[in-house]
Amino acid sequence: DAKTTQPPSMDCAEGRAANLPCNHSTISGNEYVYWYRQIHSQGPQYIIHGLKNNETNEMASLIITEDRKSSTLILPHATLRDTAVYYCIVRAINTDKLIFGTGTRLQVFP
Amino acid sequence: DTGVSQDPRHKITKRGQNVTFRCDPISEHNRLYWYRQTLGQGPEFLTYFQNEAQLEKSRLLSDRFSAERPKGSFSTLEIQRTEQGDSAMYLCASSLRARADNEQFFGPGTRLTVL
Repeated sequence: DAKTTQPPSMDCAEGRAANLPCNHSTISGNEYVYWYRQIHSQGPQYIIHGLKNNETNEMASLIITEDRKSSTLILPHATLRDTAVYYCIVRAINTDKLIFGTGTRLQVFP
Repeated sequence: DTGVSQDPRHKITKRGQNVTFRCDPISEHNRLYWYRQTLGQGPEFLTYFQNEAQLEKSRLLSDRFSAERPKGSFSTLEIQRTEQGDSAMYLCASSLRARADNEQFFGPGTRLTVL
C-alpha cells in the first residue's frame, strides 16, 4: 500500500472550514483514498473515500488532485466535536486491511 | 455507537497472565478485523476473518496471540503470557464484504494494561 504524509497537527476556529491535506505521491491506479477520524478514547470512524473524482457526503468533502498524488479533506463548518485525529489511508481495491499512519491532530477552538 | 461491541472495555493484568477479549460485530457483517493501537500511534492491523476463516495474520501477531471466530459471528483474541509491551488498545472492526467500499466499523476498543 502507498504511504501517506500528513501534517502532525492543525488548528481551526469553530464555524470555519477545516482543510486537512494528505500527500500520497506513490498511489497506484487501483488504490482508493480513505479518511477516518478518531475522537479521543473511541474507535476510528469512517468519513469518506474516493478513487479519482471529488466526493461529498453529509460529513465532509474529499478533493483529489488530477494526478491523484494528493488530496484534501474539507470539513465545511468545523465544530468542537470535530476535534480528533484524522487519518488519510490509501488502500488497494483487492485488500481489506487498513494501514494507518500517525494522522493529523485537528484542534477546533471556540 | 457503531453497533460493534467489545468486552471488556478495560483490563488490567499482571505480566505472565493470559487474557481474552471478545468482539461482537454488526450482525450481517461477514468480515471481522483486529487492530492494536499504542499511545500516539495509529492502529496497526493484526488479523482478519471472513466468516469463520482467518484469512490474514500480521507479523505483529506473535505465537502468544491467537484469534478465533468459531461460528462466523463473535470473535475472541487471546494473549498468553502477557508482557508489558502488550499494553495497548485492542480494536475490533467489522465490514460487509459485498460492499465495494468495504467501510470498516470500529468498536470502542479494549484497553489492556500489563503491570
